[in-house]
Amino acid sequence: EAGVAQSPRYKIIEKRQSVAFWCNPISGHATLYWYQQILGQGPKLLIQFQNNGVVDDSQLPKDRFSAERLKGVDSTLKIQPAKLEDSAVYLCASSLGPSGGGTYEQYFGPGTRLTVT
Amino acid sequence: AQSVAQPEDQVNVAEGNPLTVKCTYSVSGNPYLFWYVQYPNRGLQFLLKYITGDNLVKGSYGFEAEFNKSQTSFHLKKPSALVSDSALYFCAVRERGGNKLTFGTGTQLKVEL
Repeated sequence: EAGVAQSPRYKIIEKRQSVAFWCNPISGHATLYWYQQILGQGPKLLIQFQNNGVVDDSQLPKDRFSAERLKGVDSTLKIQPAKLEDSAVYLCASSLGPSGGGTYEQYFGPGTRLTVT
Repeated sequence: AQSVAQPEDQVNVAEGNPLTVKCTYSVSGNPYLFWYVQYPNRGLQFLLKYITGDNLVKGSYGFEAEFNKSQTSFHLKKPSALVSDSALYFCAVRERGGNKLTFGTGTQLKVEL
């Protein structure tokens, strides 16, 4: 079974530029998550999709971050414009089953390491 | 709000010795609890989970964890550590009926020969 795929693996941009990350979840997984992991911290949930609908985006900085999952499969996360504090690893995860009350573990991709200079 | 505390930034243990990585949690209801491991430049890998039932949960690579409701803890254990167990370990909690998985700050495990 193929795992969660993410690209690119690394990205370096200057502040105020824009950047996009792509995620392809495990086949059949209805729930998709984007996390931000700053060095020395645990992953923080940015947004959660159930199929192509948003379940939770309470911690997404909506003035600069956006995400979509148009066909309920692949997803993109965009930052525009980037700030220095956005330097982090962006992890995508997926899980089988419902979002609310589900007990299913999440499967993570390798992440995209973003450096903003 | 739910939270997880991993009080040790780093744990050092000799190969062959038992290891414990500590985790305590705070959640308003009953928890779902998880342990993940992260190797350098890799995503998080699921190790084990507590959902209900037996307080001792067995997972991948010989790891186990014990759920203690009175102490709100979910410590990760292994009877005999391997050098290859050296990695970053994250504890996470999710409230029953909730959507969000909250992670601790991680504990770096270093197993030495």
